[in-house]
Amino acid sequence: DIQMTQSPSTLSASVGDRVTITCRASQSISSWLAWYQQKPGKAPKVLIYKASSLESGVPSRFSGSGSGTEFTLSISSLQPDDFATYYCQQYSSYSWTFGQGTKVEIK
Amino acid sequence: EVQLVESGGGLVQPGGSLRLSCEASGFTFSSYEMNWVRQAPGKGLEWVSYISGSGSTIYYADSVKGRVTISRDNAKNSLYLQMSSLRAEDTAVYYCARRASGYPDYWGQGTLVTVSS
Repeated sequence: DIQMTQSPSTLSASVGDRVTITCRASQSISSWLAWYQQKPGKAPKVLIYKASSLESGVPSRFSGSGSGTEFTLSISSLQPDDFATYYCQQYSSYSWTFGQGTKVEIK
Repeated sequence: EVQLVESGGGLVQPGGSLRLSCEASGFTFSSYEMNWVRQAPGKGLEWVSYISGSGSTIYYADSVKGRVTISRDNAKNSLYLQMSSLRAEDTAVYYCARRASGYPDYWGQGTLVTVSS
């Protein structure tokens, strides 16, 4: 199985900060990577697919990059609504695997 | 509007069984692959099972293989997960998710399964 490793596990930031989350795959997944935002008690919401494509309706302050085994999610200017947990997910095979999550907290 | 609504969760004793359902609306259900994903309390996301649009291709995570069965009824726009021999470690919120171009683009709100005596 492909393992996904996110860093950091927790990130403390202020409104207006630029934040970056990293995700590493245990083997190449080309660009078959998605990013999700999850708030407590809610289902995950897709932000980015195919490593860098913005899902319809998602604010442009979110962006993704990378290919192969190294990927990043960036938020250009953190907004109050962005405090949540973020997950990366590989979909290069029928069996999805997710990163362990990065909790973005208010500093 | 795409909607996925899970039901069937609840409290079950270890070794027991439960059948989860996911009712889909707002899209042509039979045209989409579907999946179950679970999340243990305070933990991350774990893929559980996959089923093709026709139901002819099915995959399971090793953690549940032999204990769960995924199925679908395209006439009823419904997805199911039959779970048996449940263990404490199966306690989780179970989400159904539509697979579009490989990734889950829509998720249900989840249904909580608690395995405890």
